[in-house]
Amino acid sequence: QSALTQPASVSGSPGQSITISCSGTSSDVGSYYLVSWYQQHPGKTPKLIIYEGSKRPSGVSNRFSGSKSGNTASLTISGLQAEDEADYYCCSYAYTSNNFFWEFGGGTKLTVL
Amino acid sequence: EVQLVESGGGLVQPGRSLRLSCAASEFTFDDYAMHWVRQAPGKGLEWVSGISWNSGSIGYADSVKGRFAISRDNANAKNSLFLQMNSLRPEDTALYYCAKGLSSSTVDAFHIWGQGTMVTVSS
Repeated sequence: QSALTQPASVSGSPGQSITISCSGTSSDVGSYYLVSWYQQHPGKTPKLIIYEGSKRPSGVSNRFSGSKSGNTASLTISGLQAEDEADYYCCSYAYTSNNFFWEFGGGTKLTVL
Repeated sequence: EVQLVESGGGLVQPGRSLRLSCAASEFTFDDYAMHWVRQAPGKGLEWVSGISWNSGSIGYADSVKGRFAISRDNANAKNSLFLQMNSLRPEDTALYYCAKGLSSSTVDAFHIWGQGTMVTVSS
């Protein structure tokens, strides 16, 4: 089990779009569509914003979108708003040796300039 | 509104044990998988363990396998999730979140999170 790789930080101006990458392997991101993304504001509980790679839970803004290509998943936030400033984590399901597990990325701090 | 309330955290010496609980309400508990996710101070999220709706599927992170045990009580409206933590190490120090899955299966994402209970392992 090893962590997925995310950039430590990204930034963008209000109204712009940004993309956060999440790099895994053929054993996790590459094998399953089960990638999820979480938003966490400082001192707050994580919030699910994308599941199964590209689906949004009810109530999550359509400015958030997810995709996957090969072993890399991506989160795109369009029309950046000040309230989007937070930490973002990707997470992938994996299965090996009769054991399932979930791996998180190290997190990406989004700064809205 | 779905509620998850964790308890049982505290300060414990290395090598000792602790049992965390998560009381669930306002949803049909035995319809959903449940998970424990932790976050060390100032660090990222780490999945610890997950259990399917009927306890038929259970998984652990390598870092806790053999030391931690997850369980749940669906009976008699107890609606509770547990994490028995043995042989605790300083690196287990973290805020432990209880999380409700999106479905009955452990392959689905973590939809609703509790506020967490802090575990500190130190002599």
